[in-house]
Amino acid sequence: AQSVTQLDSQVPVFEEAPVELRCNYSSSVSVYLFWYVQYPNQGLQLLLKYLSGSTLVKGINGFEAEFNKSQTSFHLRKPSVHISDTAEYFCAVTEETSGSRLTFGEGTQLTVNP
Amino acid sequence: DTGVSQDPRHKITKRGQNVTFRCDPISEHNRLYWYRQTLGQGPEFLTYFQNEAQLEKSRLLSDRFSAERPKGSFSTLEIQRTEQGDSAMYLCASSYEGWQETQYFGPGTRLLVL
Repeated sequence: AQSVTQLDSQVPVFEEAPVELRCNYSSSVSVYLFWYVQYPNQGLQLLLKYLSGSTLVKGINGFEAEFNKSQTSFHLRKPSVHISDTAEYFCAVTEETSGSRLTFGEGTQLTVNP
Repeated sequence: DTGVSQDPRHKITKRGQNVTFRCDPISEHNRLYWYRQTLGQGPEFLTYFQNEAQLEKSRLLSDRFSAERPKGSFSTLEIQRTEQGDSAMYLCASSYEGWQETQYFGPGTRLLVL
């Protein structure tokens, strides 16, 4: 069965600093990986996804993530954050044998301070 | 494309009452999903439809929960005899057919059971 672990529940950073949000997954088969962002009282918005091909994936708002199969990781990075990046970030996985369900991590609250 | 919509956005009810939520997916999507998100947690899969057929249900979906998608378009999620533990955000998502397809989320319905 698939599972996702987000290693940091809260990440505070200063504006214009780089940030990395860590995600590890567990699966015995091929997986697709996603990062979603959730602003307060809103639904989830897709940031980026890894399906196949290049292991470095670029998404919206300047975010990127790198798929590392040997480390079973899919960490999210941004070189310089803005106040507006303050939100909850969720890593999610789906695998071929699980049908269409997404399995989410518990989320990382990114807080960008001035 | 107007995105996934959900109604109502907020619902307050008393324990023991029945509630029903509606989800309108992106029009060309034939898959529709329901997730539940409690405070501080990632979304958890409840069920999904392909067209009007309910293909998978989570063990989280107790007998008090029922979901329908009668004409393969909008879907309803009903909770009978609500309990305080049902308080959560109920998220709907839709996608094209296929386990690798991106799921697009609605804004959610926040339920509070008093």
